[in-house]
Amino acid sequence: QVHLQQSGPALVKPSQTLSLTCAISGDSVSSNGAPWNWIRQSPSRGLEWLGRTYHRSSKWYSDFAVSFKSRLTIDADTFKNQFSLRLHSVTPEDTAVYYCARGGNNWFAPWGQGILVTVSS
Amino acid sequence: QSVLTQPPSVSAAPGQRVTITCSGSSSNIEKNYVSWYQQLPGTAPKLLIFDDYQRPSGIPDRFSGSKSGTSATLAISGLQTTDEAYYYCGTRDDSLNGAVFGGGTTLTVL
Repeated sequence: QVHLQQSGPALVKPSQTLSLTCAISGDSVSSNGAPWNWIRQSPSRGLEWLGRTYHRSSKWYSDFAVSFKSRLTIDADTFKNQFSLRLHSVTPEDTAVYYCARGGNNWFAPWGQGILVTVSS
Repeated sequence: QSVLTQPPSVSAAPGQRVTITCSGSSSNIEKNYVSWYQQLPGTAPKLLIFDDYQRPSGIPDRFSGSKSGTSATLAISGLQTTDEAYYYCGTRDDSLNGAVFGGGTTLTVL
C-alpha cells in the first residue's frame, strides 16, 4: 500500500521560496511512468494542480501548470525515495494547503496528509 | 473560478439517492477520463471514481460514475450520514495541458 508523508515549514515570508518534501513508502519514485504530483487547495481558488514529475525510459520529466511554470521546481530524490516542490517568489496568495499525490490516468491516489503553508511576514 | 462547474451543494435524506454533476467542455471532460474525490473536513481528498466509472478497491458500489459529452455525474445511493462531505470532480484539460478540478459540492444528508 502506497503512503505519502509530507514535511516542510508552515510559514514562509513573502518573496522567499516555499519548499516541501513528500516521502514515499510502498512504491518507488522512479516507477516507470508513474507521475508524482503537487496540488494545492485554498478557499479562494479551490483545488489547483501545480505540476508533476515522472521517470520514463531512464529519463526524468516534469510538467507544470501554466500559471506556475516560471516559478515552480519539482525534483525527485531516488536515494531517499521522495520528491519535492519549490515555489519561488511567493506572495500571500500562495497561502494554501499543499498536497502531494501519486497520479494515474487523470486521477490522483493516494494523497499526502497536506500541509497548511501560510505566506506572511 | 474553476474550469469544471459543480453545484455548490446538494442534500437528501438517509437511504435516498443523490447525483452531483460536473460540467466541462470539449477540451477536458469530452476527451479525457473523469475522476471523483470525497473530502471529509480536515482531511485529504480520497479517490472515489476513476476512468469515468471505475471504483478503486474498497469503495462501495453505492458510489457510481457516468459521463456523457461534456458532463459527468457522480451518483450516491443508499445515503448514509457518513457520506456528508465535499465532493470534487477532476480531469485533464488539453488546452491547459494539465489537470483541472471542479469547485466542489457539499453533500448534506438530512
